[in-house]
Amino acid sequence: GESVGLHLPTLSVQEGDNSIINCAYSNSASDYFIWYKQESGKGPQFIIDIRSNMDKRQGQRVTVLLNKTVKHLSLQIAATQPGDSAVYFCAENRNNQGGKLIFGQGTELSVKP
Amino acid sequence: DSGVTQTPKHLITATGQRVTLRCSPRSGDLSVYWYQQSLDQGLQFLIQYYNGEERAKGNILERFSAQQFPDLHSELNLSSLELGDSALYFCASSVSTGQETQYFGPGTRLLVL
Repeated sequence: GESVGLHLPTLSVQEGDNSIINCAYSNSASDYFIWYKQESGKGPQFIIDIRSNMDKRQGQRVTVLLNKTVKHLSLQIAATQPGDSAVYFCAENRNNQGGKLIFGQGTELSVKP
Repeated sequence: DSGVTQTPKHLITATGQRVTLRCSPRSGDLSVYWYQQSLDQGLQFLIQYYNGEERAKGNILERFSAQQFPDLHSELNLSSLELGDSALYFCASSVSTGQETQYFGPGTRLLVL
């Protein structure tokens, strides 16, 4: 079936280190990608997005990289903080499917003080 | 706070019953999306409405239906409930329809006993 998969279900990092969360997508026609953060008991929170005409986009402490050749997406978080602990989802949007988001399974990021 | 509101926060009901979940989008947003989050299926797109019209449909069960009203709020109706319908139901909204940021509400946790 449709899927946007994540390589690692859990990631544990030391506070202050950089975190990298990976995601593979299956459809080369996908052209819009989003990262969401979900804290326990809350709805997904938008972090950053990237369109297929770009290979890198930076936000505040976050960078998303897109490699269309291998259909891979990553989220880099600089100087990870305890408040970054959450589940991170990549999502894929295909232009011919309206606003439908296809989510990956999620990676749980745990930040050790 | 995303600006998307959902009621109720929690809902406990019995198998065979019918429930209605309500969503108010962010001010100015015309699209509303419904997603289901369960432990075994992850976050799954159910349906999208844009300015009162159905825009995109996912693997939504026939027992489930939704609508968007003239004031742009939306309701998701779940009928003939089964134990497996227990999940978190999220509503999201966006300005238009297509490839843009979707802002998620806090969700409704449904427990079917």
